[in-house]
Amino acid sequence: GIQVEQSPPDLILQEGANSTLRCNFSDSVNNLQWFHQNPWGQLINLFYIPSGTKQNGRLSATTVATERYSLLYISSSQTTDSGVYFCAFTSGTYKYIFGTGTRLKVLA
Amino acid sequence: DVKVTQSSRYLVKRTGEKVFLECVQDMDHENMFWYRQDPGLGLRLIYFSYDVKMKEKGDIPEGYSVSREKKERFSLILESASTNQTSMYLCASSFFEKLFFGSGTQLSVL
Repeated sequence: GIQVEQSPPDLILQEGANSTLRCNFSDSVNNLQWFHQNPWGQLINLFYIPSGTKQNGRLSATTVATERYSLLYISSSQTTDSGVYFCAFTSGTYKYIFGTGTRLKVLA
Repeated sequence: DVKVTQSSRYLVKRTGEKVFLECVQDMDHENMFWYRQDPGLGLRLIYFSYDVKMKEKGDIPEGYSVSREKKERFSLILESASTNQTSMYLCASSFFEKLFFGSGTQLSVL
């Protein structure tokens, strides 16, 4: 099956810093999305980004499907950005494959 | 905004009990999902439903069943709860493949 790798696995930032999270996948994928799971367990859909670039406030995402990766940029990080970030996608079926996540902690 | 509502945030049950986890979405989505999330194991799909009364097994259906009698409601049933079913349960629905999650139910089976 398709392999997915997220990096880095853990990240600690000072408030105000910028960061880039990466999602690599081993084959063609569909419906790539980024999620943020907050400390209370809620998963929020940040971006639906099968290709190209999107921006939403301090967050932006880029997917280069031909090179099999997606990036999530967080600028001017805030403590509320803490949590786990997942990428997910489908590959020919309805089943979504989730990465193992990047655990982010933003310090005040 | 899409709203996916799970009936309980925390639930404590005894071994052998029959447990119902309810999920309701308010956006007329065709597809609904039940996942469980465990430390070190990530999100694992239990069941998927693509229409009323239609369901498909996911990766870990053993010990679970589901019911979808109305489009907006997807229920997960633990026929006889066991301690290894202690977990965070997450319901999701999708619209044009974009996934939306409920806030989760942390189930403890004692």
